[in-house]
Amino acid sequence: DAGVTQSPTHLIKTRGQQVTLRCSPKSGHDTVSWYQQALGQGPQFIFQYYEEEERQRGNFPDRFSGHQFPNYSSELNVNALLLGDSALYLCASSFTGSAQETQYFGPGTRLLVL
Amino acid sequence: AQKVTQAQTEISVVEKEDVTLDCVYETRDTTYYLFWYKQPPSGELVFLIRRNSFDEQNEISGRYSWNFQKSTSSFNFTITASQVVDSAVYFCALSEAGGTSYGKLTFGQGTILTVHP
Repeated sequence: DAGVTQSPTHLIKTRGQQVTLRCSPKSGHDTVSWYQQALGQGPQFIFQYYEEEERQRGNFPDRFSGHQFPNYSSELNVNALLLGDSALYLCASSFTGSAQETQYFGPGTRLLVL
Repeated sequence: AQKVTQAQTEISVVEKEDVTLDCVYETRDTTYYLFWYKQPPSGELVFLIRRNSFDEQNEISGRYSWNFQKSTSSFNFTITASQVVDSAVYFCALSEAGGTSYGKLTFGQGTILTVHP
């Protein structure tokens, strides 16, 4: 049973560029959440996708956008990259049932903006 | 607003010592969920435990145990007889059940645990 997978594992971009990160959820999960983890900090919630729509959003600017596909996989897009966007981006998947379910995380994508 | 505080930034112990990681949370919701995750150097967050706000029973899993006390808004994590493989960053997290916070995990700053041989 495959867990949450993310691609790419590492990425280097320059300021002003755009980036797309990808996530495939754990089998049986229908909900994907994205988090940003700066060095030495706890993860910060970016947004969550369910039924191909953004269900919740954290305090991130509109430069951060996402998408969920019919197979429940998801993309995170960041436009006009800033140096401060350098971080570990974590994807988590869960199943939206009658009660809030546990989120399981992927290995993350390390983004470096130069 | 929900908030999680892990006051211990770093803890260093020698193998076989017991160690307790503290977690204090704030929430206005009466129904919420508490979690502990482990983050080894590889970066992946590994789920350890989930606790519902209406279940205050303590839990033990092997060398791990958790003490949930609503009266003090704390959810502490104890590792008994620590091992070098326990070295990692440990995060406590909170999720509220209702309203605009549904599905959002709020994490503490993390505690870096180093277990020396």
